[in-house]
Parts: sequence; C-alpha cells; structure tokens
Amino acid sequence: ETGVTQSPTHLIKTRGQQVTLRCSSQSGHNTVSWYQQALGQGPQFIFQYYREEENGRGNFPPRFSGLQFPNYSSELNVNALELDDSALYLCASSQNPTEYPTQETQYFGPGTRLLVL
Amino acid sequence: ILNVEQSPQSLHVQEGDSTNFTCSFPSSNFYALHWYRWETAKSPEALFVMTLNGDEKKKGRISATLNTKEGYSYLYIKGSQPEDSATYLCAFDAPNAGGTSYGKLTFGQGTILTVHP
Repeated sequence: ETGVTQSPTHLIKTRGQQVTLRCSSQSGHNTVSWYQQALGQGPQFIFQYYREEENGRGNFPPRFSGLQFPNYSSELNVNALELDDSALYLCASSQNPTEYPTQETQYFGPGTRLLVL
Repeated sequence: ILNVEQSPQSLHVQEGDSTNFTCSFPSSNFYALHWYRWETAKSPEALFVMTLNGDEKKKGRISATLNTKEGYSYLYIKGSQPEDSATYLCAFDAPNAGGTSYGKLTFGQGTILTVHP
C-alpha cells in the first residue's frame, strides 16, 4: 500500500449539496494532488496543493476548492453538486518537484466514490 | 489540450502468454511518462517513471520502453499471471518553468488486462 489514505470511501449526496473529501498524505510528502475519474475515463487533474497553497489547477470550475493543512493533509470541497460530479476522486501525495527534482512519483490513495442523485 | 491515448482498451490473454500495450503522448514539451497498475478496489500502484528517450525499465516480469521523439511508450508483461489482471494507466508529465516536473499528470483512459487461468 502507498500510505495515502482517503475518507470517506463512499458517499451519496443530492444535487445542490456540498461535499468535503479528505486525504492524508504519505509520511514525508509535502504536495497533494487531486484527480477526478469519471466512468470509462482516465483520472483528470483537478488541482495541486503545496505549502498550504494551490499550486496549479486543471479545467475545473471554482466550485471545486481545496485546502492543505500544516501536516500536509488535504481536503477537496465541491459546492453546488451536479449529477456529472459523480465520480471516483483520487488524491496523490508526492515530494515537491522543485525541492526534489528526481522524485516525480505520485502515490495514490484508494479514492472516494461520490454519487450525486 | 493534451492527448494521451492507450491501446488496446481491453485485452484478454491466457496464463503464460506475453503481452504488450501502447501509450501515445505529445512528443513536444515532455518531462516524464508514468506507468501505473490499478487493481480493483486498491490504490493505483506506481510501476515506472521514464524520463529519457530510449529508457528501458524493468520490474520483475514487467518492462517498459520510451520513445520521446515519436511520442510512445510500450509496456510488456512476460508470462502473464492471473494476478497481473488490472487496469494499466500511463500518464504524461510536462515540465514546469524551472524544468522539473509540473506534477499535473495527464492520464490515458487505461488498458484493462484480464489474464485467464
């Protein structure tokens, strides 16, 4: 296992609600990235957090937001849920590539499966 | 928009067969190509990070090659076993302004491998 944990494992919400997903990074890692995997597709990059700040964002609307805490764990928040937000949400922890240029590997958690009804 | 394509989409082989699949990616603005193995209900497992044209990497019965000039990577499995059944994902990694990993992985849709006993 990677040492990256996510909670909850499954979640059911209704359209318009808000959701918070949590991720604990691997020991020693200071960077957390979030990905969304819709059915039949590869994971898509949502954003990355480093030193408690957003450090790059994919093509997702502002209702997707995040936080990183001093212990490097992270939260993904989604407001005003839509049916299309139903997906598996993965977080990945890594070393920051600027600090550790040869440590590019991202280590993934098992994901949180979100169903929006 | 970056296009990372994997083929085939799925593959069924018999135990003992050797197999290979392809990942194609943009040949410009390349930093690294990642391979992951993802078993059902588990975390994606990092297999290889490949950065140099002509790279060949090996882990047990699994090996991978990289051609950055033409934008493709092959993953080979020698003597497939039922425990090799998984989804194999490749992910393209572009460089940041400092020349290290940007950390925003662009994934293919994966190749689903089923190895029959």
